[in-house]
Amino acid sequence: DAGVIQSPRHEVTEMGQEVTLRCKPISGHDYLFWYRQTMMRGLELLIYFNNNVPIDDSGMPEDRFSAKMPNASFSTLKIQPSEPRDSAVYFCASGTERAQETQYFGPGTRLLVL
Amino acid sequence: EDQVTQSPEALRLQEGESSSLNCSYTVSGLRGLFWYRQDPGKGPEFLFTLYSAGEEKEKERLKATLTKKESFLHITAPKPEDSATYLCAVQAVTGGSYIPTFGRGTSLIVHP
Repeated sequence: DAGVIQSPRHEVTEMGQEVTLRCKPISGHDYLFWYRQTMMRGLELLIYFNNNVPIDDSGMPEDRFSAKMPNASFSTLKIQPSEPRDSAVYFCASGTERAQETQYFGPGTRLLVL
Repeated sequence: EDQVTQSPEALRLQEGESSSLNCSYTVSGLRGLFWYRQDPGKGPEFLFTLYSAGEEKEKERLKATLTKKESFLHITAPKPEDSATYLCAVQAVTGGSYIPTFGRGTSLIVHP
């Protein structure tokens, strides 16, 4: 099993640009989670999906952030426009209905907004 | 508001020197408490889930315990490969939503 796949692994962009982060969950997993990790705030859940449907997006910081899951094998997290304070490591994780607490994390995307 | 506090922030041990990491929490009804290990540049790796006070779980040199206010991650005779950041998280019994609250982690370094 390839595990959770995220791309790109690193992204450097300028303030105001659109950023799209991508995630491929583990095949057969029906839960998908997007997290953000910073030194200041630690690891925060942004949004999660169940069977491709967004269940809770209360962690999304503001309207500049949006997430989609068009099918069971792909999700995107988009930031438009990006700001320097969005600089962080963004993780995607997936899990199953039977064991929601066992989340499998991807390697993360390190985002730097200049 | 759910809160998770981990201590110490950083811990240096000699190989073979056993110790414990602490995770104190306040939550409006605990659904589960989770421990993760995170290596530099990688995503967190799931270790344990504890559901009720008195529960214990073990994996190799690690043992996690739970009380009504805190959890401990005991590391017995650690090895250098146990060096990592250990994260604790809690999930509250609030509706049907799954929103874990994470602590800041304890950075563990084990010297050979």
